[in-house]
Amino acid sequence: EPEVTQTPSHQVTQMGQEVILRCVPISNHLYFYWYRQILGQKVEFLVSFYNNEISEKSEIFDDQFSVERPDGSNFTLKIRSTKLEDSAMYFCASRKRGGPDTQYFGPGTRLTVL
Amino acid sequence: DAKTTQPTSMDCAEGRAANLPCNHSTISGNEYVYWYRQIHSQGPQYIIHGLKNNETNEMASLIITEDRKSSTLILPHATLRDTAVYYCIVSVLTGGGNKLTFGTGTQLKVEL
Repeated sequence: EPEVTQTPSHQVTQMGQEVILRCVPISNHLYFYWYRQILGQKVEFLVSFYNNEISEKSEIFDDQFSVERPDGSNFTLKIRSTKLEDSAMYFCASRKRGGPDTQYFGPGTRLTVL
Repeated sequence: DAKTTQPTSMDCAEGRAANLPCNHSTISGNEYVYWYRQIHSQGPQYIIHGLKNNETNEMASLIITEDRKSSTLILPHATLRDTAVYYCIVSVLTGGGNKLTFGTGTQLKVEL
């Protein structure tokens, strides 16, 4: 069964550094998402992406964040200058089409900012 | 998106049915009910979704009341591996969005 994959599984970085989290969505999916979960807290929506542009973003997704689909398979989340409070699990998700279709989540990347 | 209310935690004996309730009294006519679960800090796993009718798949059944103000997820024969946080989410389609808004969910503990 096709899966969403994410790399790396764990990323440690220094405050102020740039990080890129990578995701490979399911191959025939058209809608892509990033969510995050700070330890012990809820899963929070960050951004959705369709047709090579952002379709919706949350208040969390400020100018420090950007997303890109650089080729036909990868979907990336970049944090330009990491803060301590960016430490969290970051989940990528993808969905095949419009309508009430299912979002499938990847295993997550644990980001630790020191 | 409509707000949902779920019990904080539930226990279930292995092999028995686990019935997880969810209230969504402010649900709109175009909002679907989704159930996901999360084991430890793994990525949320889709279980089932529905609009009005009851739904069943290989994992679970979803019972939605006629007025759509509440629903119940049923795991027919719970196993230890079903121990997880279960999220009931109502979501409206928003163009290319259809974001999922997670609450705190129900921690289901399946015991021997």
